[in-house]
Amino acid sequence: QKEVEQNSGPLSVPEGAIASLNCTYSDRGSQSFFWYRQYSGKSPELIMFIYSNGDKEDGRFTAQLNKASQYVSLLIRDSQPSDSATYLCAASGSARQLTFGSGTQLTVLP
Amino acid sequence: KAGVTQTPRYLIKTRGQQVTLSCSPISGHRSVSWYQQTPGQGLQFLFEYFSETQRNKGNFPGRFSGRQFSNSRSEMNVSTLELGDSALYLCASSAGTGDGGYTFGSGTRLTVV
Repeated sequence: QKEVEQNSGPLSVPEGAIASLNCTYSDRGSQSFFWYRQYSGKSPELIMFIYSNGDKEDGRFTAQLNKASQYVSLLIRDSQPSDSATYLCAASGSARQLTFGSGTQLTVLP
Repeated sequence: KAGVTQTPRYLIKTRGQQVTLSCSPISGHRSVSWYQQTPGQGLQFLFEYFSETQRNKGNFPGRFSGRQFSNSRSEMNVSTLELGDSALYLCASSAGTGDGGYTFGSGTRLTVV
């Protein structure tokens, strides 16, 4: 069973802090990794994707990938109340299907 | 650039009926994937279509089927509905080449009573 595991949370951080979201995957054949944000009652929205080991930065968001440890993370700097949502980690391999984690609920406290 | 369009947004059906959901991908995208989201199981992959061909299928019963048309629009059909089929059905659009991400539509909320 190919699995993606996320720290279930919920996670609360104060406004302006760094939020750290973590994810591990079991399938070593996974090639691409995605972070989605989902607000309550809405569909998932792509934040970032990463293919290569190391860091990838986009504005306040940084994705980190370590294939040896089968570990993916998302850092949100200067967290805002509008970042409060469920964050979904997903992995994709040659089959081009997304395997999702169960999500981490983030609350940013004003 | 228009996003992914799913219709209808909401549906209420009775057990035993069938339902057809529609998805129009982003212009130029040739891949459409379908996912089921429930509180208990999270997001689960149903199937993926690329250039009118099913390339991959998830672990769902044969009551769940789909197709893709030459304009890349896709439909998903669920026959003999069960209460457990109540879920948010999401369609994701991508170029299908393995590059870039998958963009989701707003989803169809199906309730089976």
